Amino acid sequence: DAMVIQNPRYQVTQFGKPVTLSCSQTLNHNVMYWYQQKSSQAPKLLFHYYDKDFNNEADTPDNFQSRRPNTSFCFLDIRSPGLGDAAMYLCATSEWRGYGYTFGSGTRLTVV
Amino acid sequence: AQKITQTQPGMFVQEKEAVTLDCTYDTSDPSYGLFWYKQPSSGEMIFLIYQGSYDQQNATEGRYSLNFQKARKSANLVISASQLGDSAMYFCAMREIETSGSRLTFGEGTQLTVNP
Repeated sequence: DAMVIQNPRYQVTQFGKPVTLSCSQTLNHNVMYWYQQKSSQAPKLLFHYYDKDFNNEADTPDNFQSRRPNTSFCFLDIRSPGLGDAAMYLCATSEWRGYGYTFGSGTRLTVV
Repeated sequence: AQKITQTQPGMFVQEKEAVTLDCTYDTSDPSYGLFWYKQPSSGEMIFLIYQGSYDQQNATEGRYSLNFQKARKSANLVISASQLGDSAMYFCAMREIETSGSRLTFGEGTQLTVNP
């Protein structure tokens, strides 16, 4: 089945140690999104790619960066994780201007 | 700027009864889409139902229906015959169209608990 896969499912990282979360898709969707969801809060859009065009949200901290080397893969890099970055990170995909969004299962990040 | 409001942080319902989860939205765009997602404690976001702004009829998907009142800018989710497995967080979300594609903005969510 076509799907969105996030690895790892759970990630523990040390305070200040760079960490990378990955997302892959078999849907061939041209838009990929990264959302941050803190406990008991709504998912918050960090940035998205339309093909190779990167679109950053105005309030996304510089500590968060992303790479999309090809259509299938997208990475979220946190350069210096702080305790406040502990959250669920959700990857999603869609067609350009499509109404359907497909979410991965998420990566739950713990910062120690 | 769009805004999605879910005013019920928590809701309780007895098994087999119906429940309505409220959602209001604010947009000046004539073309928009409204979604409801279910998020169990495991964290995945499960699509439930979609309503387009130009759709004439309310959307239905099995036990889920969307009570769409465009003039009031509300899009309430109705779950009929609640089951224990319906206990989860429910998010209302709105799609906005941009030159770079489309983006989804979420409300704060409603935690639904189904009691046996």
